[in-house]
Amino acid sequence: GIQVEQSPPDLILQEGANSTLRCNFSDSVNNLQWFHQNPWGQLINLFYIPSGTKQNGRLSATTVATERYSLLYISSSQTTDSGVYFCAAVTTSGTYKYIFGTGTRLKVLA
Amino acid sequence: GAVVSQHPSWVICKSGTSVKIECRSLDFQATTMFWYRQFPKQSLMLMATSNEGSKATYEQGVEKDKFLINHASLTLSTLTVTSAHPEDSSFYICSAHGPGQGPTDTQYFGPGTRLTVL
Repeated sequence: GIQVEQSPPDLILQEGANSTLRCNFSDSVNNLQWFHQNPWGQLINLFYIPSGTKQNGRLSATTVATERYSLLYISSSQTTDSGVYFCAAVTTSGTYKYIFGTGTRLKVLA
Repeated sequence: GAVVSQHPSWVICKSGTSVKIECRSLDFQATTMFWYRQFPKQSLMLMATSNEGSKATYEQGVEKDKFLINHASLTLSTLTVTSAHPEDSSFYICSAHGPGQGPTDTQYFGPGTRLTVL
């Protein structure tokens, strides 16, 4: 089945810094989503982005489907950005189900 | 967006007892819901797909008799952990597609249920 790998696994930033998180997937995808899991465990939808680029405030995401990767950009990071970021992919073949990436644990220091 | 709720938020039980977790779609109908399990500092793993009015589809390696799933209505799916043991302690999360959306569309996630088995 599809493999979804994220990098880096851990990231520590000073408040105000920018960062790029990467998600690589091993097969073609119908859907690629980015989530933020807050310290209480709630998954928050960030982007639905099977291809192209989207922006929402300080966050933006780009998926290059032909090269099988997606990037999440965080600009001017804030302490509230801390948590775990997951990407999840739905493949184009077989049953449609989310395969979650390995996650990036982000800590933003004040 | 669509809202999915879970109850309880956390539960502590003794080894050998059964625990039921509810997942509800608020203000929309969900013919399909999904159950995930997340161990500390790990990713989410799909356990099963819950289909309204029919049997759930379990992922490989998930014990059907241990994790009973019932999707009796279009807004409620339940996961029962039977004869729970300490190794079943985990964070259980459910999700559903939004109203009118298909299998490749966005999933909306509940807040999760933290199960601790003593």
